[in-house]
Amino acid sequence: GAGVSQSPRYKVAKRGQDVALRCDPISGHVSLFWYQQALGQGPEFLTYFQNEAQLDKSGLPSDRFFAERPEGSVSTLKIQRTQQEDSAVYLCASSSQGNTEAFFGQGTRLTVV
Amino acid sequence: AQSVAQPEDQVNVAEGNPLTVKCTYSVSGNPYLFWYVQYPNRGLQFLLKYITGDNLVKGSYGFEAEFNKSQTSFHLKKPSALVSDSALYFCAVHKAAGNKLTFGGGTRVLVKP
Repeated sequence: GAGVSQSPRYKVAKRGQDVALRCDPISGHVSLFWYQQALGQGPEFLTYFQNEAQLDKSGLPSDRFFAERPEGSVSTLKIQRTQQEDSAVYLCASSSQGNTEAFFGQGTRLTVV
Repeated sequence: AQSVAQPEDQVNVAEGNPLTVKCTYSVSGNPYLFWYVQYPNRGLQFLLKYITGDNLVKGSYGFEAEFNKSQTSFHLKKPSALVSDSALYFCAVHKAAGNKLTFGGGTRVLVKP
């Protein structure tokens, strides 16, 4: 596709439910990032992949958060046993090899009730 | 550690007047600096970047930014603001050898007719 695609756009989960958020990066982009954006704040880094390798997961807030990119393309961010504090917009971004700008998807707005 | 400060939560400007959005950063080594814009319910859109070279960087939609190493600043400017420039603006940084972006808290720009 022409841009980074994320699905679903909106997700409402009951507290304790597991959720999976999908990201389709721009074709050929080696690097993929997940960010969490709380209401009224700037995005915060969660994790980074280069191809299928997860090189940095230092931003994942707890072991309930898990990300994968098994074939080096589509990525899934999974949150187990969701809590209210997980409510946020989850942004995915991709970039080509080298230090170039990242292109962001529209995000998934997760609301935990 | 790397950090970004956007000292103004909101900037109000009349249409046709110059617009400045302030950003200062802290990073070890040479910085890679970015500006992104976010419209309601949309992802982040890339505006411009500074990697190396000329301190004045020109970007999309008539925006430009000036890198000032001594003041560790990267202020965003537009000579003549439009009502359609009203949005949330984020400054971001990563170090030259890194990838993950650290964002400022964002500055809301309101351009009044």
